Amino acid sequence: AQSVTQLDSQVPVFEEAPVELRCNYSSSVSVYLFWYVQYPNQGLQLLLKYLSGSTLVKGINGFEAEFNKSQTSFHLRKPSVHISDTAEYFCAVSGGGKLSFGAGTTVTVRA
Amino acid sequence: DAGVIQSPRHEVTEMGQEVTLRCKPISGHNSLFWYRQTMMRGLELLIYFNNNVPIDDSGMPEDRFSAKMPNASFSTLKIQPSEPRDSAVYFCASSFQGYGNTIYFGEGSWLTVV
Repeated sequence: AQSVTQLDSQVPVFEEAPVELRCNYSSSVSVYLFWYVQYPNQGLQLLLKYLSGSTLVKGINGFEAEFNKSQTSFHLRKPSVHISDTAEYFCAVSGGGKLSFGAGTTVTVRA
Repeated sequence: DAGVIQSPRHEVTEMGQEVTLRCKPISGHNSLFWYRQTMMRGLELLIYFNNNVPIDDSGMPEDRFSAKMPNASFSTLKIQPSEPRDSAVYFCASSFQGYGNTIYFGEGSWLTVV
């Protein structure tokens, strides 16, 4: 079985500052890793995913994430956030036929 | 592409009533998922279909919940009878060939049971 832990439930950040959202996973099999974003009153949208290959993955809206197998982490970063990045972010792991989501991290960007 | 289409977007119903949520997956996708989102429990997978066949329904809370996928372009999630604790956002999602490919979510059905 696999699981995901998002280490921060809330992350306040000022506009144009960098942000990092932390995600740790556990799995006994090879995994696929995902980050999704949910804007208020909307469904989830894929930001990026890691399946194999390069450990640095670039996604939409300037986000990137780094897969670290030894630390079982898949942290999400953005060097400079905008007000429009205010949303909830979900890390997810798939393996063994299941997809498990973390509890989510709420990012609030302030001017 | 129209994306995953869910209906109704919002529903308020009385306890004990039957609720039917509907989903049209993206054309060509052969995997369909129903998720439930609440503040307390976050995102939970209720059931996963592949090629119209239920593969994993271990997340279905109890017998009051049932899901069907009669064909590749339509699925329903039914709650009968509904209870206030069923109030949540229910998401339908679809993908091509399971989890390795991107899962696309609908806008959700916001259910309130009073």
